[in-house]
Amino acid sequence: DQQVKQNSPSLSVQEGRISILNCDYTNSMFDYFLWYKKYPAEGPTFLISISSIKDKNEDGRFTVFLNKSAKHLSLHIVPSQPGDSAVYFCAAVSHGGTSYGKLTFGQGTILTVHP
Amino acid sequence: DAMVIQNPRYQVTQFGKPVTLSCSQTLNHNVMYWYQQKSSQAPKLLFHYYDKDFNNEADTPDNFQSRRPNTSFCFLDIRSPGLGDAAMYLCATSRGMAGLNEKLFFGSGTQLSVL
Repeated sequence: DQQVKQNSPSLSVQEGRISILNCDYTNSMFDYFLWYKKYPAEGPTFLISISSIKDKNEDGRFTVFLNKSAKHLSLHIVPSQPGDSAVYFCAAVSHGGTSYGKLTFGQGTILTVHP
Repeated sequence: DAMVIQNPRYQVTQFGKPVTLSCSQTLNHNVMYWYQQKSSQAPKLLFHYYDKDFNNEADTPDNFQSRRPNTSFCFLDIRSPGLGDAAMYLCATSRGMAGLNEKLFFGSGTQLSVL
C-alpha cells in the first residue's frame, strides 16, 4: 500500500523552461510535505517543504503547491537549469497516528534538464 | 564536510552470510533512521532510534537488526542476506522526529549486492 506516489518515473525539460513534478498521497493524516533532491552517488538532500495549513511555499526558483482536497502536491522549478538534473523524491509525514514523525517517500522522478 | 557518513559505499556479500553496514554522524542528532531502497522504488523505513529507544517498523523482517552503541554510530545487521535484500541502504539523522521543523540529513548510502 503505497501512500505517496510519484506516477512519472522521468521528466525531460529544456533549460530555461518550467519543470513540474507531481506527487499524490492517500493518507489524510499527512500534514507536512517535503521534496528531496538526489544526485548520483549522494544521499537525498532537503529541497523545500510545505505545511498542510498552506497551499503554496516558494523558495527562489522552487515553488511547492499543495491541493489538500485532491491530495496532490507539485514542485515547480522555474527556470530549469542543467544542474537541476537529479532524482526528486516527494515525502510526507504526519504529527499523529502510526506515521508520526516518520517520512514516507514516493518512488522518485528523474528530472533531466537539457542545455 | 560529510555530516552523515556511511561505510562502505559498496558491499558485496554471499547469500546467507551475515553483513553489517555502518553509519556515523557528527551532528549530535537524537534520531537515526535506516531506509532500504530497491531499484526504482521508494525508500522504505526499516527502523529508527530515538536516543537509545529502538523502534521497528511492523513490516521489517526479523532478518534485519540494528544497534546504536552511542549517539554517533548506528549499525544495520542483516543476519542471513537473501537475494531480495540487495538494495541501497540509506542512513539518516534528525534532531527530533521528522516534522515541521525537523529535516532529515542523509548519508550517501551503501549499495549492497548479494551473490
